[in-house]
Amino acid sequence: DIQMTQSPSSLSASVGDRVTITCRASQSITTYLNWYQQKAGKAPNLLIYGASSLQSGVPSRFSGSGSGTDFTLTITSLQPEDFATYYCQQSYSSLFTFGPGTKVDI
Amino acid sequence: QVTLRESGPALVKPTQTLTLTCTFSGFSLSTSEMCVTWIRQPPGKALEWLARIDWDDDKFYSTSLKTRLTISKDTSKNQVVLTMTNMDPVDTATYYCARILLYRSRWYIVDYWGQGTLVTVSS
Repeated sequence: DIQMTQSPSSLSASVGDRVTITCRASQSITTYLNWYQQKAGKAPNLLIYGASSLQSGVPSRFSGSGSGTDFTLTITSLQPEDFATYYCQQSYSSLFTFGPGTKVDI
Repeated sequence: QVTLRESGPALVKPTQTLTLTCTFSGFSLSTSEMCVTWIRQPPGKALEWLARIDWDDDKFYSTSLKTRLTISKDTSKNQVVLTMTNMDPVDTATYYCARILLYRSRWYIVDYWGQGTLVTVSS
């Protein structure tokens, strides 16, 4: 199975900060990488698909990049509603896998 | 409007079989490029992908759990059922069903989720 790792596991940031989260796959997944945001007690919400495509309705301060094994989610100018946990997920394999998550808090 | 809702027991005993039903609306699993998946999340932990069923009845299972899982669909009822055998306390989690769209015939995206159902395994 393809293993996904994320770093950092958690980070503290302030409103207005630029935040970068990294995701790494155990083998090349080209650009079959999605990012999700999950707020406490809620189901996850798709932010980015195909490594860099913004899902409809998602603010443009979210962006994704990368290919192969290394990927990045960037939030420019962090907003209060962005404090949440972020997960990457590969869909290169039919057996999907998620990363362990990155918690962004104050 | 796409909606999904999970239903099933909130409490199961160790060794029992869990049966969860996902009832959805706003799409059909007989439409090409539609899939439904199950994902779980133990309290305070990460998401774990469990299984997926596609419009053409292809089925995929987590390697670590495949001997315990069965996924099936009833297209006429707009339902997907997941069974998990031999439940253990470590299986305590919120179980989500979600829609997967094969977007532009290339990208599998989990675009709609149910609210999740908490299943506790305890004697």
